[in-house]
Amino acid sequence: SQQGEEDPQALSIQEGENATMNCSYKTSINNLQWYRQNSGRGLVHLILIRSNEREKHSGRLRVTLDTSKKSSSLLITASRAADTASYFCAPQPGYSSASKIIFGSGTRLSIRP
Amino acid sequence: GAVVSQHPSRVICKSGTSVKIECRSLDFQATTMFWYRQFPKQSLMLMATSNEGSKATYEQGVEKDKFLINHASLTLSTLTVTSAHPEDSSFYICSASARLGTSGSDEQYFGPGTRLTVT
Repeated sequence: SQQGEEDPQALSIQEGENATMNCSYKTSINNLQWYRQNSGRGLVHLILIRSNEREKHSGRLRVTLDTSKKSSSLLITASRAADTASYFCAPQPGYSSASKIIFGSGTRLSIRP
Repeated sequence: GAVVSQHPSRVICKSGTSVKIECRSLDFQATTMFWYRQFPKQSLMLMATSNEGSKATYEQGVEKDKFLINHASLTLSTLTVTSAHPEDSSFYICSASARLGTSGSDEQYFGPGTRLTVT
């Protein structure tokens, strides 16, 4: 297992703007996942990107992965109030999802109306 | 997609009593389940890894006699907080990983969480 570190810790933007958050990790991975957590709720899986992929899209989400820099970014385009949440990355080294996830502090995203 | 449920969603108990929290994978078999604890405004802290039919593996600093974990079947893991104290009040979240080939992906699926308040 390994821990991802999200950056920035907090981000406040105007509704409609794009939000970018980054994740760094230390050892090689098989895949990296991004999760969202609304206040007081469980985690919602957003997107999984495999180590042989460089970019992946899902709706308004765009994830990039640079294995040479051991970093990933999550871009949310045309942000909405409902995007206000904490976002976590989860780098997974193994080929099985049974690899435990050690969460970092996350990025707290606030969307201003 | 794969769904993980937790029961109860909220529980209030008196200090000294024990509380059981259930985590179920509803439409897939979970060989491994994980238990996390989250205090207000903090990140999720992994407590233990639970494998079906074997003893749980606890993270450093987590008391195995206080947080009893049972993973009796491929769809159910339980966490029992024994002799609960106010400092055990927290948000407990489980996640489940699918046996490869069952859910068709290798994501981990998280439950909605259980808020425990010990008075």
